Amino acid sequence: GAVVSQHPSWVICKSGTSVKIECRSLDFQATTMFWYRQFPKQSLMLMATSNEGSKATYEQGVEKDKFLINHASLTLSTLTVTSAHPEDSSFYICSAGGWAWDGSGANVLTFGAGSRLTVL
Amino acid sequence: KNQVEQSPQSLIILEGKNCTLQCNYTVSPFSNLRWYKQDTGRGPVSLTIMTFSENTKSNGRYTATLDADTKQSSLHITASQLSDSASYICVVSSRSNDYKLSFGAGTTVTVRA
Repeated sequence: GAVVSQHPSWVICKSGTSVKIECRSLDFQATTMFWYRQFPKQSLMLMATSNEGSKATYEQGVEKDKFLINHASLTLSTLTVTSAHPEDSSFYICSAGGWAWDGSGANVLTFGAGSRLTVL
Repeated sequence: KNQVEQSPQSLIILEGKNCTLQCNYTVSPFSNLRWYKQDTGRGPVSLTIMTFSENTKSNGRYTATLDADTKQSSLHITASQLSDSASYICVVSSRSNDYKLSFGAGTTVTVRA
């Protein structure tokens, strides 16, 4: 249980294009979703937190107009990197927090497998 | 200052040996503490989650301990295998908002044959 699917797992795009990454909770309702980026050999850096149906809260230094986050349903959040540039190349990871559907009341926090973005 | 400090930053051990990773935190009020394993190029995978009242929890060869009084946790790996080579991340949640997370920088473990 508590599976998070992230897609695509890797993407290569040209500079100036936009890229959308999806994060889905498959067997639980994700009331909160988080988006991170991670550079090689560094720890996860939180970019933003989103609650279903409301605007995302961005961490300091993260451009909200560049990294568009949508959390329209309890099972789906998307991150769109707009007008991507080579410096946006990174590993992007989502995580979803919520309550298990198995009735156990368990509080879950599960990460997606990550999306490797390379901007040429 | 980071509210979650992990040590050591990295370590190398021989296959079959044991090791212990440390996580000290200042997050308050405390809700729970999670240990994750992150393989290179993959998302973190949950190993254990511990609440205030839990002192120890095992997941196979991984055993986590928690001392909520001293705000310390450890992750013990028994009989290490090559597949244990990864980054281990300690994540602490605040009780005021269970999804206000504080991340440790991680400990990189390398297991050598």
